[in-house]
Amino acid sequence: GQQVMQIPQYQHVQEGEDFTTYCNSSTTLSNIQWYKQRPGGHPVFLIQLVKSGEVKKQKRLTFQFGEAKKNSSLHITATQTTDVGTYFCAGPPSGGSYIPTFGRGTSLIVHP
Amino acid sequence: EAQVTQNPRYLITVTGKKLTVTCSQNMNHEYMSWYRQDPGLGLRQIYYSMNVEVTDKGDVPEGYKVSRKEKRNFPLILESPSPNQTSLYFCASSLSWKRVQYFGPGTRLLVL
Repeated sequence: GQQVMQIPQYQHVQEGEDFTTYCNSSTTLSNIQWYKQRPGGHPVFLIQLVKSGEVKKQKRLTFQFGEAKKNSSLHITATQTTDVGTYFCAGPPSGGSYIPTFGRGTSLIVHP
Repeated sequence: EAQVTQNPRYLITVTGKKLTVTCSQNMNHEYMSWYRQDPGLGLRQIYYSMNVEVTDKGDVPEGYKVSRKEKRNFPLILESPSPNQTSLYFCASSLSWKRVQYFGPGTRLLVL
């Protein structure tokens, strides 16, 4: 079945440093969605990318979708303590299964 | 306010005692699903429903049942809970399986 790998599993940064998490799927994705889960909270939608090679920005966050629609990245510039949480990618496959597969997430820890 | 609600939020039970976790959404979404979240394993889908009376297995369905008699409700049933079902459970809803998912607040279950 479809697998979505996400790295790294954990990332410690000093406040002000940049952060990147990578998502790789074993199959072509219909789209890629990114979610953030704060400690003790539930996943909250951040953004969806649909087109091959698409790049979107939300303030300090930059999201990319690969040309082959099998990989994606989330980059945070100048992290802040409010960025703490676990970031998940999720990708519905472009064919077959109706199950959107989540990556295992990257937990970001920001040290002040 | 558009939301997904789950009840109860916390539950401690004993092995073999049947329980139901309720989930309700007020967004008229067709697609609903249940996930369990375990440390290091991310979000794994248990069951999903494409519409009323249409349900199917996700990646980890063993030991669980669901029903979808009304569009807004999607209860998760554990007929004979076991300790390996101790987990954090999330209900989610979406316009379709490819679209953004909206998660409930979560139900933390401990099976003794």
